[in-house]
Amino acid sequence: EPEVTQTPSHQVTQMGQEVILRCVPISNHLYFYWYRQILGQKVEFLVSFYNNEISEKSEIFDDQFSVERPDGSNFTLKIRSTKLEDSAMYFCASSWERAADTQYFGPGTRLTVL
Amino acid sequence: GESVGLHLPTLSVQEGDNSIINCAYSNSASDYFIWYKQESGKGPQFIIDIRSNMDKRQGQRVTVLLNKTVKHLSLQIAATQPGDSAVYFCAVYSGGGADGLTFGKGTHLIIQP
Repeated sequence: EPEVTQTPSHQVTQMGQEVILRCVPISNHLYFYWYRQILGQKVEFLVSFYNNEISEKSEIFDDQFSVERPDGSNFTLKIRSTKLEDSAMYFCASSWERAADTQYFGPGTRLTVL
Repeated sequence: GESVGLHLPTLSVQEGDNSIINCAYSNSASDYFIWYKQESGKGPQFIIDIRSNMDKRQGQRVTVLLNKTVKHLSLQIAATQPGDSAVYFCAVYSGGGADGLTFGKGTHLIIQP
């Protein structure tokens, strides 16, 4: 069964450093998403991406964040200058159509900012 | 905007019993609803979904009920098994061009042997 994969599973970084989280969405899906989950809290939408551009972003997704689809398979989330409060699980998801279609989630990357 | 809440942070049931997990949403324009299961250290796993033109949908051992009048969603799990132990989230799509799902906080289902 096709699945979304994410690397790394755990990333530790120093405050102020740049991190790139990587995702490989399900191959025939057209819409890609990033969500985050701070420990003990809800899963929160960050951004959606379609046709090589951002489709929608939440207020969390500020200028420190960027997304890219550098090739035909990878989808990345970059945080330019990490802050302590960026520590969270980051989930990538993909869907065949827009959000009114099932979004399938990857296993997540745990980001720890020290 | 949309807000999604769950009634119980933790639910403990005996193995073999049925369980019901509830969720409330705020936006009457919401038209797509999904239940996800999240096991420790893993991402949300799709269980079942329902659209606003339905009020009930059944899967294997799971049933989702939607009451649009009171903006309430529930997940019923029949004959619970140890593998059902997880955190269950409802997620709501509000439409209107918004892509992101709004998640509830989650109910931790504990299956007692």
